[in-house]
Amino acid sequence: DTAVSQTPKYLVTQMGNDKSIKCEQNLGHDTMYWYKQDSKKFLKIMFSYNNKELIINETVPNRFSPKSPDKAHLNLHINSLELGDSAVYFCASSQDRILAEFTGELFFGEGSRLTVL
Amino acid sequence: QQQVKQSPQSLIVQKGGISIINCAYENTAFDYFPWYQQFPGKGPALLIAIRPDVSEKKEGRFTISFNKSAKQFSLHIMDSQPGDSATYFCAASGVTGAGSYQLTFGKGTKLSVIP
Repeated sequence: DTAVSQTPKYLVTQMGNDKSIKCEQNLGHDTMYWYKQDSKKFLKIMFSYNNKELIINETVPNRFSPKSPDKAHLNLHINSLELGDSAVYFCASSQDRILAEFTGELFFGEGSRLTVL
Repeated sequence: QQQVKQSPQSLIVQKGGISIINCAYENTAFDYFPWYQQFPGKGPALLIAIRPDVSEKKEGRFTISFNKSAKQFSLHIMDSQPGDSATYFCAASGVTGAGSYQLTFGKGTKLSVIP
């Protein structure tokens, strides 16, 4: 059973289109994340979300929006795609980050490679 | 502002040798320091982690050394094997300057272990 699964694995689309990437976790975690990994492998957090709070990285354009239908899902919707959005997007989850026991262990999906032409 | 600085960017080690990756952090509020390993086409996965109340942690061939006063920590891979070839990320978790609790990654080190 895959702990954190995301679809699609590959996505090729034209500039200006709107696309979504889906993420599901079966670990019972309270917090989910979206990370962007650029061509230089740099991992940058985009959002963290639990059912109480959405934390948005201030550098993320408002064309990006997380949508969570329930605790086990956090989808990423991107409007008006641009060339610079091409990257690998990782979904991750962890136990509630505000708990004192938060260990820093994130469980990542296998990534969704987005190519904008 | 890069809060966790990692070096080197890439590393080539002979099989059986020692791989050493270094990281430095700025935020003294960080209280947990994990290392993640990422293979091509996969997501990062936790390898080993340390809290600042200890100076060293060892798990098999992997050791973290931690220097709180210098705000530095490093990963040592003993007897490096070709299967260790991957990208390694150091990270630090704690309250950021913006007041939120999150994990901040270094820029990664691509390790290649040659036979």
